Amino acid sequence: EVQLVEAGGGLIQPGGSLRLSCATSGFTFSSYAMNWVRQAPGKGLEWVAYISSSGHTIYYADSVKGRFTMSRDSAENSVYLQMSSLRVEDTATYYCARDDYYSHDAFDVWGQGTMVTVSS
Amino acid sequence: DIQMTQSPSSLSASIGDRVSITCRASVSVTTFLNWYQQSPGKAPKLLIYAASRLQSGVPSRFTGSGSGTDFTLTINGLQPDDLATYYCQQSSSTPTTFGGGTKVEI
Repeated sequence: EVQLVEAGGGLIQPGGSLRLSCATSGFTFSSYAMNWVRQAPGKGLEWVAYISSSGHTIYYADSVKGRFTMSRDSAENSVYLQMSSLRVEDTATYYCARDDYYSHDAFDVWGQGTMVTVSS
Repeated sequence: DIQMTQSPSSLSASIGDRVSITCRASVSVTTFLNWYQQSPGKAPKLLIYAASRLQSGVPSRFTGSGSGTDFTLTINGLQPDDLATYYCQQSSSTPTTFGGGTKVEI
């Protein structure tokens, strides 16, 4: 079964740092690009970051550029999101999502999400 | 960035109704348009990719159409499980962008 499991969310003060992880299973991890997508409480979906299957290409939303770093570890079949200089507006549920090149880059598998709350 | 505009933002329908949701892109995205369903408290789920292709396992009552800038998601015969918010997404260019969502109430 294809599965994505996020972890690492929690309550953090403004200006703090947090590292999210997304453990994958059930598919050939090295063949797929991955994304992070977030959803603020009661709001819509916002793409955050993308990493190619090789890890050589990474893109970020302007709202997180310079503060967030996405990475992947083929030995662990996992992707990560290192978040620093966190702001109240970063409060959201963070989902990792698999990018399927053969489906016009649709996000065909999603994790259950991990909640990040930035508050003093 | 490509702006995605969905309408309506919410709708109420009855079981068995035919429901249509529209999505408009600020520039052409050809057929790089995907639809997702997010049930309350759940992660989004891919329904339609490439504007009209049904994702494996998705009921055939969901259909997608359109190309360029105008797209439609249609639910033929609304079911109780279809209570959800629906999002369109363009994957034509980076950054990928989502529509604001359409909440379907039954």
